[in-house]
Amino acid sequence: GAVVSQHPSWVICKSGTSVKIECRSLDFQATTMFWYRQFPKQSLMLMATSNEGSKATYEQGVEKDKFLINHASLTLSTLTVTSAHPEDSSFYICSAGGRRRDLETQYFGPGTRLLVL
Amino acid sequence: ILNVEQSPQSLHVQEGDSTNFTCSFPSSNFYALHWYRWETAKSPEALFVMTLNGDEKKKGRISATLNTKEGYSYLYIKGSQPEDSATYLCAPLYNTDKLIFGTGTRLQVFP
Repeated sequence: GAVVSQHPSWVICKSGTSVKIECRSLDFQATTMFWYRQFPKQSLMLMATSNEGSKATYEQGVEKDKFLINHASLTLSTLTVTSAHPEDSSFYICSAGGRRRDLETQYFGPGTRLLVL
Repeated sequence: ILNVEQSPQSLHVQEGDSTNFTCSFPSSNFYALHWYRWETAKSPEALFVMTLNGDEKKKGRISATLNTKEGYSYLYIKGSQPEDSATYLCAPLYNTDKLIFGTGTRLQVFP
């Protein structure tokens, strides 16, 4: 199956710094990628939909100025957590796949665990 | 807010046992259901995409059924093996074109 990589796999940073997470589709092109966040004992929550060459679409309650998404190529989307605070500590995971999600599965990266001190 | 429930939350079985778990979801405006297996420290791996009422999919010892009218899906594992130990996630797809994930069923298979 298709492979999606994510980097870094974990990061610890100081409060107030920015952290960039990369999501790459290694063997296919992805016009759309999705970013999810998971808090302990909760489900994966969609944060935003990343569209190649255009602005991301954010879910209600997700601050677009806080979580900057860039999808500059068909194989790379980045999520930047700006001025991170301890409440941003979470597990972030991306996915990519076919346009027909009623027929085609999504391929997930392994996720990034962020700890903000 | 759409609520997707998976039960049980966790399950411990002996190697060789067959097991099943449930995904319940609002059926209004639903049109597909994804199942994923997620092993610790790995990427969630796709199992099935199901679309039709009465749809049944099978992959080796794992199979799934779907009832779109009443909004539930069952995942069955026949003859569980230690390598089946993982969290199993379901995610219905609605006409918003967004997957809504359940919290998962964590399966542990003991040798």
